[in-house]
Amino acid sequence: QKEVEQDPGPLSVPEGAIVSLNCTYSNSAFQYFMWYRQYSRKGPELLMYTYSSGNKEDGRFTAQVDKSSKYISLFIRDSQPSDSATYLCAMKETSGSRLTFGEGTQLTVNP
Amino acid sequence: GAVVSQHPSWVICKSGTSVKIECRSLDFQATTMFWYRQFPKQSLMLMATSNEGSKATYEQGVEKDKFLINHASLTLSTLTVTSAHPEDSSFYICSAHPPRGDYEQYFGPGTRLTVT
Repeated sequence: QKEVEQDPGPLSVPEGAIVSLNCTYSNSAFQYFMWYRQYSRKGPELLMYTYSSGNKEDGRFTAQVDKSSKYISLFIRDSQPSDSATYLCAMKETSGSRLTFGEGTQLTVNP
Repeated sequence: GAVVSQHPSWVICKSGTSVKIECRSLDFQATTMFWYRQFPKQSLMLMATSNEGSKATYEQGVEKDKFLINHASLTLSTLTVTSAHPEDSSFYICSAHPPRGDYEQYFGPGTRLTVT
């Protein structure tokens, strides 16, 4: 069983839709939860991070962490064609700097 | 913001030759750098963790004699793919972790290697 599971999609939505991206994990030691966005042939860029459980909002993006269920989500409101990319969840334990990534979900927002 | 560069961005080499990829943290010192490999439509696979001034730690299944990593300074790590073969063709991405950061890893733009 993988430590982090993420539906690879692909996911295709119309412009303006609300997008929900999710990951589940099995390692209860994970404390840092990140979402990265990766455009084709580019390196990942950090979108959101959350420490432990809770919600975090940044503009059109909201990250949620439910540690009791070992489940994290990223919501994108009013999705735009420029949001078309692969979204990767990543997690880290308190100690060390190693990240564990999900498989990534490929998102296409159609104009 | 923290910037990590990689050079070259794209390289084509012949089978049997060696290729060196550089990863630089431009505006911060990185005690730890990571090297990842990514196949099309797949996630990042950690190859090795590189700490300045010490030997790299390789993930299980990664040949350390084939993928040579050197982290000679706090701003530069290099990955050398020795005796490259077509199956080594991939997208190689580095990331850098600042010394006082908790979670941050700043990623480079990646290097696309094609071995013919």
